[in-house]
Amino acid sequence: DVKVTQSSRYLVKRTGEKVFLECVQDMDHENMFWYRQDPGLGLRLIYFSYDVKMKEKGDIPEGYSVSREKKERFSLILESASTNQTSMYLCASSLPRGVQPQHFGDGTRLSIL
Amino acid sequence: GDSVTQMEGPVTLSEEAFLTINCTYTATGYPSLFWYVQYPGEGLQLLLKATKADDKGSNKGFEATYRKETTSFHLEKGSVQVSDSAVYFCALSTLGGTALIFGKGTTLSVSS
Repeated sequence: DVKVTQSSRYLVKRTGEKVFLECVQDMDHENMFWYRQDPGLGLRLIYFSYDVKMKEKGDIPEGYSVSREKKERFSLILESASTNQTSMYLCASSLPRGVQPQHFGDGTRLSIL
Repeated sequence: GDSVTQMEGPVTLSEEAFLTINCTYTATGYPSLFWYVQYPGEGLQLLLKATKADDKGSNKGFEATYRKETTSFHLEKGSVQVSDSAVYFCALSTLGGTALIFGKGTTLSVSS
């Protein structure tokens, strides 16, 4: 089975901090994704990556950046955390064609105080 | 642009009741369609998928049929259980796109 592991289930940070969310997948998938999930809004794509060192903006990239130095690892960075970034963050991975299902981690619930 | 619309919840049912969660989509081209489920405290899991018109996806007693003429992919289950309580997301993917486009999710609550 594909395993997507997010480094933290719960995280509490302060406004203005630089925050790193880590995601690792073990199935050699080319594609990796970061979403945020908010009540009433569903899942919204922040960034995705289709190869090492490659990245594409999703629907809501403002205030975020990403890093993919190795194929199995995709990091989401909040450059200067703000309270409106309090949310559930989900990482996913998939094979390189769009019709392939995505495999999700269990999520990181991030609170910015 | 491409989009997915699913019925708003919450949906509250008694055990053994029939379930329908409506999902319609707008897409250029020929999308693949998915239902994902999110159990409390967990990430999303793929429930079923269909890749072309008239395909029926099925898993764990759930079914959905890809209807091109009505641009729909409604989720059904004949007899729900308490353990089916979760949030259900409809999603689509097109060959031209890499990421999934999700609906807003429908919360299902089943009581015994």
